[in-house]
Amino acid sequence: GAGVSQSPSNKVTEKGKDVELRCDPISGHTALYWYRQSLGQGLEFLIYFQGNSAPDKSGLPSDRFSAERTGGSVSTLTIQRTQQEDSAVYLCASSAKRPGQGINEQFFGPGTRLTVL
Amino acid sequence: AQKVTQAQTEISVVEKEDVTLDCVYETRDTTYYLFWYKQPPSGELVFLIRRNSFDEQNEISGRYSWNFQKSTSSFNFTITASQVVDSAVYFCALSDTANAGGTSYGKLTFGQGTILTVHP
Repeated sequence: GAGVSQSPSNKVTEKGKDVELRCDPISGHTALYWYRQSLGQGLEFLIYFQGNSAPDKSGLPSDRFSAERTGGSVSTLTIQRTQQEDSAVYLCASSAKRPGQGINEQFFGPGTRLTVL
Repeated sequence: AQKVTQAQTEISVVEKEDVTLDCVYETRDTTYYLFWYKQPPSGELVFLIRRNSFDEQNEISGRYSWNFQKSTSSFNFTITASQVVDSAVYFCALSDTANAGGTSYGKLTFGQGTILTVHP
């Protein structure tokens, strides 16, 4: 079956513009996560979705960042008024939720490399 | 707060050598999960192993093996007879059983990664 897909693979934008990053999780995976990978901060958790709701948004760095998920599938991460410090690789991961199995492994997409000029 | 430390920033070996990547973690939780991921030059994180805190058995998968020791809070990864294709960045990660919205989930805390280069 298909893995996690993300689009675009690369995005170059100008400071102050809004960007949207898309994630298509593995079919049937109800849990979806966004992470950010940057040279200075390493890999950081941003937000967690269970179905269409986001019970943990604690990693979003500012109110310029938002995310939604529709139909329990595709998720979009939006960054408004981008800043140069937003430049990073944004990774999406999905995970199955099987009762009694604790925390399952997350499968990652290829990421979106965002460059803010 | 959770923390994962991978003290080795970079390791360089020659093909066929054995290599061990160290991972030390900190958590106050009694139930937690440990993971290793590989990030090859292509950039995609590849899942290697998951281990829960109640299972201290070591695991071997082909040339890969993992040594989990709760007493020292370590979860080390050994590659036997390394190959050039093993060259990648390897991440150790920790997750407790966080709860929100009525369900448990795994918010991963990653180490800084170890860059492994295997020379032919």
